Amino acid sequence: EAQVTQNPRYLITVTGKKLTVTCSQNMNHEYMSWYRQDPGLGLRQIYYSMNVEVTDKGDVPEGYKVSRKEKRNFPLILESPSPNQTSLYFCASSPQVSDSPLHFGNGTRLTVT
Amino acid sequence: GDSVTQMEGPVTLSEEAFLTINCTYTATGYPSLFWYVQYPGEGLQLLLKATKADDKGSNKGFEATYRKETTSFHLEKGSVQVSDSAVYFCALNPRSGYALNFGKGTSLLVTP
Repeated sequence: EAQVTQNPRYLITVTGKKLTVTCSQNMNHEYMSWYRQDPGLGLRQIYYSMNVEVTDKGDVPEGYKVSRKEKRNFPLILESPSPNQTSLYFCASSPQVSDSPLHFGNGTRLTVT
Repeated sequence: GDSVTQMEGPVTLSEEAFLTINCTYTATGYPSLFWYVQYPGEGLQLLLKATKADDKGSNKGFEATYRKETTSFHLEKGSVQVSDSAVYFCALNPRSGYALNFGKGTSLLVTP
């Protein structure tokens, strides 16, 4: 089944403790992206990747890192999480950007205390 | 920059009522337009899309027409069901960039 898989689904952590949210897609998509969803703000893009070893900042990259060493994986790294990074995170992928729809994972709900 | 504005919710309707969720956009070029739906506890999934002016996207009884003259892409359904309860996002692909610009989402609750 074609899908985008994120792990974990739920994560509670403390300020400053490094964490990684994994994202994997099995559709051989070139483009991958991370979004965060917050009430009243909708979805905002954090980082995106056009292909292996090619990443770029989205609208809200501060406090996040990403890497794209393999085509299928696009982990999101929070090296020193803070409470304002408490949010619902989505990974998405697509074969190309122009008219192709994004395929989303089921989300990771992160709480930073 | 390119952006999308959609009506704020929540929208509450009775089953079989007519639905309209308004979406307008601002873009310098000729974007592609999308509606995504998010069911509780799930990620977003594509509902329908339109890639050029006057195109009509349709799926699962939902429709939206790409109106260049009014820069709009309103979502409609003639008769909603309880199972349509979800959050609906209008989105724009500006073609010149790589990011999909999303509206803030409209929550729809359909009651029996």
